[in-house]
Amino acid sequence: KQEVTQIPAALSVPEGENLVLNCSFTDSAIYNLQWFRQDPGKGLTSLLLIQSSQREQTSGRLNASLDKSSGRSTLYIAASQPGDSATYLCAGPGSARQLTFGSGTQLTVLP
Amino acid sequence: ETGVTQSPTHLIKTRGQQVTLRCSSQSGHNTVSWYQQALGQGPQFIFQYYREEENGRGNFPPRFSGLQFPNYSSELNVNALELDDSALYLCASSPRRGRGEETQYFGPGTRLLVL
Repeated sequence: KQEVTQIPAALSVPEGENLVLNCSFTDSAIYNLQWFRQDPGKGLTSLLLIQSSQREQTSGRLNASLDKSSGRSTLYIAASQPGDSATYLCAGPGSARQLTFGSGTQLTVLP
Repeated sequence: ETGVTQSPTHLIKTRGQQVTLRCSSQSGHNTVSWYQQALGQGPQFIFQYYREEENGRGNFPPRFSGLQFPNYSSELNVNALELDDSALYLCASSPRRGRGEETQYFGPGTRLLVL
């Protein structure tokens, strides 16, 4: 059974700082991993999808990596902005055709 | 291109009542998944529908049921509501039968409060 863990649960940084969010998973047979953003009370927005054949994906200031052997993924945000404040969720495929999510990291970027 | 829409946006029910939540999938998507997200937690998979049939189910009791229609829109029904059913219910669509291989597109959710 796939289990996904995210650390830290909350993070507060000053504007302009580079930061890393961590995600770990238990099933190393994972064939992809996704990162989502969720604003308070809203739905999820897909940020990046990394296939198991890739080691990383980039979109603008975001870079996500996947290391299946260690069961870890990281989301790197460069030059953070107050608009980046949100909860970031990682998710991997589970056993019943679903996505299995971590509990998220709540990011606050202070102006 | 219209994204995933859900209705209603908010709902208040009392314990023991029944509720129906609705989801319209993104144009061209034939697979719909439902998730329950409690406050401060990640979404939990309820079930998935592909071409009008249930195509996978999470660890939720039978009082959680669903339907998918020929136009691929979907309903989530919850009977005998309990206080713990209070959550944000998210619908996600994808263009083909999901194994988590492709990006799922999420709707804004329905916030359910059970009193």
